[in-house]
Amino acid sequence: GNSVTQMEGPVTLSEEAFLTINCTYTATGYPSLFWYVQYPGEGLQLLLKATKADDKGSNKGFEATYRKETTSFHLEKGSVQVSDSAVYFCALSLSGGYNKLIFGAGTRLAVHP
Amino acid sequence: DAGVIQSPRHEVTEMGQEVTLRCKPISGHDYLFWYRQTMMRGLELLIYFNNNVPIDDSGMPEDRFSAKMPNASFSTLKIQPSEPRDSAVYFCASSFRLADYEQYFGPGTRLTVT
Repeated sequence: GNSVTQMEGPVTLSEEAFLTINCTYTATGYPSLFWYVQYPGEGLQLLLKATKADDKGSNKGFEATYRKETTSFHLEKGSVQVSDSAVYFCALSLSGGYNKLIFGAGTRLAVHP
Repeated sequence: DAGVIQSPRHEVTEMGQEVTLRCKPISGHDYLFWYRQTMMRGLELLIYFNNNVPIDDSGMPEDRFSAKMPNASFSTLKIQPSEPRDSAVYFCASSFRLADYEQYFGPGTRLTVT
């Protein structure tokens, strides 16, 4: 079946530290991959995406590369800020044209000054 | 555009009462999704619509839950009767079929059933 597995949180970092949140997936066909972010008290919003193998999505200093050979889409940022504290969700699209996404469980990130 | 609009933002009700959550998707979007988020179960897809037609309601927990989309600009999620275990944040999201699956989420409705 189709699924997304994320590393468990919470991830606690000091400001300016390097961030990696691991995400692996299982899917039939060739899904697109996404990272969504949820700030406290808000809905999810798209952070970045990649639609085919070896694509790199990037936004706000975050990056993730679609690795078909390892079925991974790890999220990275070189220097985190307190304002990056949020819950991060990895997701994949399902084929079939219905725009349905499969989300991972989410990883909470807490950045301290 | 104002984004996805949900109402109410907070709802507190007693067990056994009917609860109706409302959603207005982004104009022009032809997919609408209802999600539920809890600490225990994370983010769950309850149901989604395409062009106002329900496509997959396999995530709806039980017959107490129902969802409708009478037109392209409005959807409701109803719980009748409500139970304490229904307490959660309910999100509505919409998307456009050619936008490569990006979904736009509303701010959510926090439901507390006492």
